Amino acid sequence: IQLTQSPSSLSASVGDRVTITCRASQGISSYLAWYQQKPGKAPKLLIYAASTLQSGVPSRFSGSGSGTDFTLTISSLQPEDFATYYCQQLNSYPPITFGQGTRLEIK
Amino acid sequence: EVQLVESGGGLVQPGGSLRLSCAASGFTFSSYEMNWVRQAPGKGLEWVSYISSSGSTIYYADSVKGRFTISRDNAKNSLYLQMNSLRAEDTAVYYCARASGPPVIVDYWGQGTLVTVSS
Repeated sequence: IQLTQSPSSLSASVGDRVTITCRASQGISSYLAWYQQKPGKAPKLLIYAASTLQSGVPSRFSGSGSGTDFTLTISSLQPEDFATYYCQQLNSYPPITFGQGTRLEIK
Repeated sequence: EVQLVESGGGLVQPGGSLRLSCAASGFTFSSYEMNWVRQAPGKGLEWVSYISSSGSTIYYADSVKGRFTISRDNAKNSLYLQMNSLRAEDTAVYYCARASGPPVIVDYWGQGTLVTVSS
């Protein structure tokens, strides 16, 4: 199963609403997670089962979708949100498949 | 507090070997499936290998099959990755990561250990 994220990079400003898309090459039900990664750090789990917020993650992050199309939305960008975001599928776990990443930069 | 601490990375020549370790604490290690995931410099995340909680079921990515061996010692709360016949393209930060569920989630990651394959 392949995951395709779009866009590959994105420039936005603090306070903006941002949406990142992840498309699976075949249906994966809701077995999709989203991660945030900052330079030199391990990925951090944000959302699992497509729309469930991991404990401790701010509510400005939300996820939706099922089947093949999924989105990650950040409702109001904060300075600490500028990072790279990855989607991950666990429908056929193992293996684990990741999207290629979306780099979110400050405009 | 859940902690995963990798060690064993370093510089190795092509064709060489290296053994990575991941020390787990703060949870019942023997109850969890574990994975190795790697990230080449400036690149995305690539799953490497999986091991079940008992160690009886193992999977590998095609890119490392036949060269890497995953194992665990539940008595020592430790996960391992034996890497043989290393290639330049194996250069990456290697993370150990815990899987929980159902639904399956990969919820905790170590800080990573850098493996550099170069002459």
